[in-house]
Amino acid sequence: AQKITQTQPGMFVQEKEAVTLDCTYDTSDQSYGLFWYKQPSSGEMIFLIYQGSYDEQNATEGRYSLNFQKARKSANLVISASQLGDSAMYFCAMRGAETSYDKVIFGPGTSLSVIP
Amino acid sequence: GAGVSQTPSNKVTEKGKYVELRCDPISGHTALYWYRQSLGQGPEFLIYFQGTGAADDSGLPNDRFFAVRPEGSVSTLKIQRTERGDSAVYLCASSPRAQGANTEAFFGQGTRLTVV
Repeated sequence: AQKITQTQPGMFVQEKEAVTLDCTYDTSDQSYGLFWYKQPSSGEMIFLIYQGSYDEQNATEGRYSLNFQKARKSANLVISASQLGDSAMYFCAMRGAETSYDKVIFGPGTSLSVIP
Repeated sequence: GAGVSQTPSNKVTEKGKYVELRCDPISGHTALYWYRQSLGQGPEFLIYFQGTGAADDSGLPNDRFFAVRPEGSVSTLKIQRTERGDSAVYLCASSPRAQGANTEAFFGQGTRLTVV
């Protein structure tokens, strides 16, 4: 069965520094997609970045990049030049062939606090 | 509207009562998802619709929970005989038909349900 693990319940980072949020996953699929979402205190889930299992390059979207290590089944999110507005919950998620790509499975999340 | 709309944003109900939560997806999105998010946890999959039919309801916790999408657009999540353990944020998401791993889900703001 598919499973997402995020081992960091809470993280702190100084403003303007970079931070890495860990995500490991378990799946028997060869074809799957990995997503990161941000959830501010307002509650909405905001899509940040996507990585496909067959993508050879690590995904990047502005200040967000995904450190994808397929053999280790890890998909860590790197946020560069942290801003106060980055303080939020961050969820790693995946969609795979095992569930016909129907479900998006989420990890437990990491709470990020950016310190001025 | 441009995004996924959920109403009400907050709902307080007494134990044993019946509640309905509404989701209005992005226009043209055929896939619709309901998730439940308890405090400090990641979203937990409940049910997935493709068009009018429930393609996967394996996440519904018991028969007190039911969801419909009669015209393939708006969906209603119905909870009978509510219990205090049902208190959570109920998130709705929609996406174009999920054809593969890279289909992003767009989330609403959620309905915070409190059972007293």
